[in-house]
Amino acid sequence: DAGITQSPRHKVTETGTPVTLRCHQTENHRYMYWYRQDPGHGLRLIHYSYGVKDTDKGEVSDGYSVSRSKTEDFLLTLESATSSQTSVYFCAISDLTGGGTGELFFGEGSRLTVL
Amino acid sequence: GENVEQHPSTLSVQEGDSAVIKCTYSDSASNYFPWYKQELGKRPQLIIDIRSNVGEKKDQRIAVTLNKTAKHFSLHITETQPEDSAVYFCAASKRENKLIFGAGTRLAVHP
Repeated sequence: DAGITQSPRHKVTETGTPVTLRCHQTENHRYMYWYRQDPGHGLRLIHYSYGVKDTDKGEVSDGYSVSRSKTEDFLLTLESATSSQTSVYFCAISDLTGGGTGELFFGEGSRLTVL
Repeated sequence: GENVEQHPSTLSVQEGDSAVIKCTYSDSASNYFPWYKQELGKRPQLIIDIRSNVGEKKDQRIAVTLNKTAKHFSLHITETQPEDSAVYFCAASKRENKLIFGAGTRLAVHP
C-alpha cells in the first residue's frame, strides 16, 4: 500500500464544532485529494491540491476548506460541522510526473459522525 | 463540470456468469477512464483504466470498452467468482487527474 495515512480514523462531534482531518503521505506525490463517500452518491470530490499552497474546489466544496503547507500534508477543515457532513472521508494521492500513471491511491478513510 | 452516471446500482450474478457495468460521462474533453473496486470496509483500489485513444483494454478476466462518440464506457467481468463481490466505481477526468466518480455498483456473486 502507498504510504498514506489519515487521522483521526473515527470521530464523533457535535453540530457547530470545528473539525480538522489530516492526510499525510510519504510518497512525495504532487496531487492530493479529499473525497467523501455516502450511500447512493459514490465518491464525491471535495477539494484537491496540485502542489504546496495550490488548491482548488471539487464537486461539493461548500462548508469545507483545505490547506497544504507541505508536500506531505493535506488538511480538510469543517469550520462548523453540520449533520449533513456525517460521512466517510477519503484522502487520495496521485503522481502524474516522472512516469506516474495517474492512479489514485486512497487512505483508509476517516469516519465522521456529526450529532 | 463533468458528470458521470453509472448503472446498474446493484447487480447479482451466479458464479461463472459475466457481469457488465455501464457508465456515461458528459464532458467530451474527458480522456481518462479508470475503474475502482472497493471491498467491504476497505479503501477503493484501481483495477483497470483506459485512455481516450484506446477502444478496449483487457486484463485477464476484466475488460473495459470505450465509445467516445456515445460518451460511454463499460466494465466487463467474465467467469465471475465470489471474490469479485464488491462495489465498483467508474470515473472520468480530463486534466490534473481530477477524477469524478459514478455512484457505484454493488456486485454480488453467488456460489
